[in-house]
Amino acid sequence: AQSVSQHNHHVILSEAASLELGCNYSYGGTVNLFWYVQYPGQHLQLLLKYFSGDPLVKGIKGFEAEFIKSKFSFNLRKPSVQWSDTAEYFCAVIKAAGNKLTFGGGTRVLVKP
Amino acid sequence: EAGVAQSPRYKIIEKRQSVAFWCNPISGHATLYWYQQILGQGPKLLIQFQNNGVVDDSQLPKDRFSAERLKGVDSTLKIQPAKLEDSAVYLCASSFELSVGMNTEAFFGQGTRLTVV
Repeated sequence: AQSVSQHNHHVILSEAASLELGCNYSYGGTVNLFWYVQYPGQHLQLLLKYFSGDPLVKGIKGFEAEFIKSKFSFNLRKPSVQWSDTAEYFCAVIKAAGNKLTFGGGTRVLVKP
Repeated sequence: EAGVAQSPRYKIIEKRQSVAFWCNPISGHATLYWYQQILGQGPKLLIQFQNNGVVDDSQLPKDRFSAERLKGVDSTLKIQPAKLEDSAVYLCASSFELSVGMNTEAFFGQGTRLTVV
């Protein structure tokens, strides 16, 4: 069965600190990769996505992610976080067979002002 | 562009009662998903439709959950009878065909928060 792992369940940072959230998936075929964010009280929104080409993907609000195929990873980064980045972040993957969009367990990020 | 609409936003029912959720996807989106998100966990896919056909329902508890997408547009998800462990947020999402290599994404509604007491 396909699975998506997010290593940190909770992260607490101060403003201006750098953020990196890990995501690994468990199958070796061709994949599309996504990071979604859920701000308090809001619906899931897309931060960025990888579907082909440059493995370094830039998204909204200064976020970026790097697809490393050999490591089955798609880690999310932001060099300097703001209080408004407080949210829950979800990694998601679809693979070639079945096109089922599978989510990781999520990481809650709290940015202290 | 209008987003994915879901109703109701909140529902409280007693165990063994039935409940139904409604979803109206973004116009033109052929693929529709229902996810269950239990507190503290990531969304779990219950069922995926392509137009009005089911693509994947392998994680749908078919003894109590059912879903339909008549005419390939709106969808309803029903639970009958509900159990305490069904307390969760039920998310609907839609997309153009979401497949590997294609530049598409799934758009999510606000969800329905179900509490079973």
